[in-house]
Amino acid sequence: EIVMTQSPATLSVSPGGRATLSCRASLSVSSNLAWYQQKPGQAPRLLIYDASSRAAGIPARFSGSGSGTEFTLTISGVHSEDFAVYYCQQYNDWPPLTFGGGTKVEIK
Amino acid sequence: QVQLVESGGGVVQPGRSLRLSCAASGFTFSSNGMHWVRQAPGKGLEWVAVISYDGSQKYYANSVKGRFTISRDNSKSMVFVQMNSLRADDTAVYYCAKGIRTFPDDWGQGTLVTVSS
Repeated sequence: EIVMTQSPATLSVSPGGRATLSCRASLSVSSNLAWYQQKPGQAPRLLIYDASSRAAGIPARFSGSGSGTEFTLTISGVHSEDFAVYYCQQYNDWPPLTFGGGTKVEIK
Repeated sequence: QVQLVESGGGVVQPGRSLRLSCAASGFTFSSNGMHWVRQAPGKGLEWVAVISYDGSQKYYANSVKGRFTISRDNSKSMVFVQMNSLRADDTAVYYCAKGIRTFPDDWGQGTLVTVSS
């Protein structure tokens, strides 16, 4: 089973600032990685798939990069509605599909 | 637009069974795999199971294998998970999600399952 590790656990960012979230896989997952956003009391929402492709309707301030074992989600110019928990998930080697533990982006 | 509505959650005693349902609309249900993903209170996401578009392939997390069974009814655009021998650590919000290729894209709002005596 591929283990996904996210860092940091919590990231404090000022509105308008830049948020950089990391995700590491225990084995290469090629570019088969997705990012999800989850707000309190809501279902997760797909942001990024194939490591760098934005899902439909996702603003351009969200960008993904990386391949193999190291991945990054960047939010450029954080908006108030972006404060949430973000999860990465690999779909290269499954079952099982595996998620990282999440990064909480909070207001600084 | 895609809509996924889960139902069937509730409080159940350890060792008992529960069946969750998910009603889908807004897309061609019979063309997509469907997932169940759960989230224990205050915890992260855990993938539970997936079923292929035609029901011929089913895969499970090790934590539920042998206890949970995923199924679907394409004539009714519904997906189910039968959960047997429930344990306290199965307590979670259960989400159904539409699969695109091999990963979930659209998610329902979830249904809470509490396993407690």
